[in-house]
Amino acid sequence: GQQLNQSPQSMFIQEGEDVSMNCTSSSIFNTWLWYKQDPGEGPVLLIALYKAGELTSNGRLTAQFGITRKDSFLNISASIPSDVGIYFCAGEETSGSRLTFGEGTQLTVNP
Amino acid sequence: SQTIHQWPATLVQPVGSPLSLECTVEGTSNPNLYWYRQAAGRGLQLLFYSVGIGQISSEVPQNLSASRPQDRQFILSSKKLLLSDSGFYLCAWRDTGYYGYTFGSGTRLTVV
Repeated sequence: GQQLNQSPQSMFIQEGEDVSMNCTSSSIFNTWLWYKQDPGEGPVLLIALYKAGELTSNGRLTAQFGITRKDSFLNISASIPSDVGIYFCAGEETSGSRLTFGEGTQLTVNP
Repeated sequence: SQTIHQWPATLVQPVGSPLSLECTVEGTSNPNLYWYRQAAGRGLQLLFYSVGIGQISSEVPQNLSASRPQDRQFILSSKKLLLSDSGFYLCAWRDTGYYGYTFGSGTRLTVV
């Protein structure tokens, strides 16, 4: 089946630093999504991207839908301790198809 | 508004005992429903999904089963739990035409 390669697997940063993570696939996706999972909770949708080249922001978060439609990245600026968690990318090949999830990026922010 | 309820939040069960986890969705009709398992705080493994009452698709052969007795109810079951069934179980739903999934708060299952 379809696979998403998400990197890095984990990040340890200092509060105030910027963060960047990305996902790549071997096939084209029509939709890219980014989720955050707080410890002990279910993932929550952060940003949804629907067009190639689209750049969308949500507060300190910015995500882009790659031009080739095979990749996406998520940036977090000026990290804070509550950014700690697991970030998942997800892609949808066609409208209504099941989402494919990346393996997640575990983010740790040191105060 | 649309909400998803998942319970219990935590569960400790002995090996060989049965399991029943329930998930219900409110405020929508005919949603697609999903059961995921997450081990060691990492990736999400799709276990089952359902596009309608009584329609269950299994992704991974295992010791678990799922049922959808009502439109907005999805149940994950096992007749005899194994140690390897321990993990964090997540229910999710998607409304028709909406791209993202909405996840429940999860159930932490520990088989001892």
